[in-house]
Amino acid sequence: EPEVTQTPSHQVTQMGQEVILRCVPISNHLYFYWYRQILGQKVEFLVSFYNNEISEKSEIFDDQFSVERPDGSNFTLKIRSTKLEDSAMYFCASSARQVSYEQYFGPGTRLTVT
Amino acid sequence: AQTVTQSQPEMSVQEAETVTLSCTYDTSENNYYLFWYKQPPSRQMILVIRQEAYKQQNATENRFSVNFQKAAKSFSLKISDSQLGDTAMYFCAFMSASNTGKLIFGQGTTLQVKP
Repeated sequence: EPEVTQTPSHQVTQMGQEVILRCVPISNHLYFYWYRQILGQKVEFLVSFYNNEISEKSEIFDDQFSVERPDGSNFTLKIRSTKLEDSAMYFCASSARQVSYEQYFGPGTRLTVT
Repeated sequence: AQTVTQSQPEMSVQEAETVTLSCTYDTSENNYYLFWYKQPPSRQMILVIRQEAYKQQNATENRFSVNFQKAAKSFSLKISDSQLGDTAMYFCAFMSASNTGKLIFGQGTTLQVKP
């Protein structure tokens, strides 16, 4: 069964450094999402992406964040200058259709900012 | 803004018994979708069940069923004949019919099925 994959599984970085989290969505899906979960807190929406454009972003998704689909298969989340509070589990998801349909989640990348 | 609340951080049930996980939500919208996702330890979140708000009939998927009370804004998940493999974190989630597919999650309920 096709699944969403994410790399790396765990990333440790120093405050102020740039990180890129990578996701490979399911191949025929058109809608892509990033969520994050700070330890002990809710899963929070960051951004949705369709047709090479951001469809919606949350207040968390400020100028330090960006997303890209560089090659038609990968979907990346970049954090330009990491802060301690960016430490979280980051989940990528993809969907065949926009609304109502199941989103398929990746296993997550644990980001630790020191 | 929509919110989703799961008031039970942890629950446990004996194997083969039935358990109900609670979820309430707040929205001013009339058209939306509700989901229960399951996250087993160290594994991906997977969809358990989905409910369209315009449908009065409660959704069922094998041993999983929901009790959807639109007026009360309540969406509970019932697991019948609990199995050890049901041990997981369960998230209730809301999706507006008018936005971009954004899911709004509750805090999650950790369910332990005991042998």
